[in-house]
Amino acid sequence: DIVLTQSPALPVSLEQRATISCKTSQNVDNYGISYMHWYQQKPGQQPKLLIYGGSDLASGIPARFSGSGSGTDFTLTIDPVEADDIATYYCQQSKDYPTFGGGTKLELK
Amino acid sequence: QVTLKESGPGILQPSQTLSLTCSFSGFSLSTSGICVSWIRQPSGKGLEWLTTICWEDSKGYNPSLKNRLTISKDTSNNQAFLKITSVDTADTAIYYCVRRDYNWFAYWGQGTLVTVSS
Repeated sequence: DIVLTQSPALPVSLEQRATISCKTSQNVDNYGISYMHWYQQKPGQQPKLLIYGGSDLASGIPARFSGSGSGTDFTLTIDPVEADDIATYYCQQSKDYPTFGGGTKLELK
Repeated sequence: QVTLKESGPGILQPSQTLSLTCSFSGFSLSTSGICVSWIRQPSGKGLEWLTTICWEDSKGYNPSLKNRLTISKDTSNNQAFLKITSVDTADTAIYYCVRRDYNWFAYWGQGTLVTVSS
């Protein structure tokens, strides 16, 4: 299986940029298609799709969210961070059977 | 508007079989390209994909749980089902029903909490 590694927590300040990293144990690109996706989960809520295909913004998601990366290194960027963005963020790959990263909890400094 | 809602027993004892139902609206599991998945999350922990069923009845299972899982669907009634045999306390989690679009999980139900306890 493909293992996804995320840092457990990231302290940030409001109105600053947050960069959340996801590293995979194998390449999750294939012929120019990225099989990396990102989700946001707030306490007591179900996860919500933010980014699919590495960099495509899901419907209704603000443009301050963006995704980048390729191969085994991927990044979710939030710029600028707003109070409503305090949540846990998960990366997920679909190159093989789906697996998720352990999640990065965005915290206020 | 796409909605999904999970229902289940809430609590069950070790060694029993867990049966969950996903009732959805806003799409049909007979439409080409549509798939429904089950994903679970133990309290305070991460997400684990369990299984997926698609419009043409293809199915995928998490290899670590494959022997215990069965997914099925009732297209006429817009429902999908999950059975997990021989549950134990490690199966205690919130279980989500999710519509998969292409390769990502686009629409999530609110989840149903399942507790395994003697």
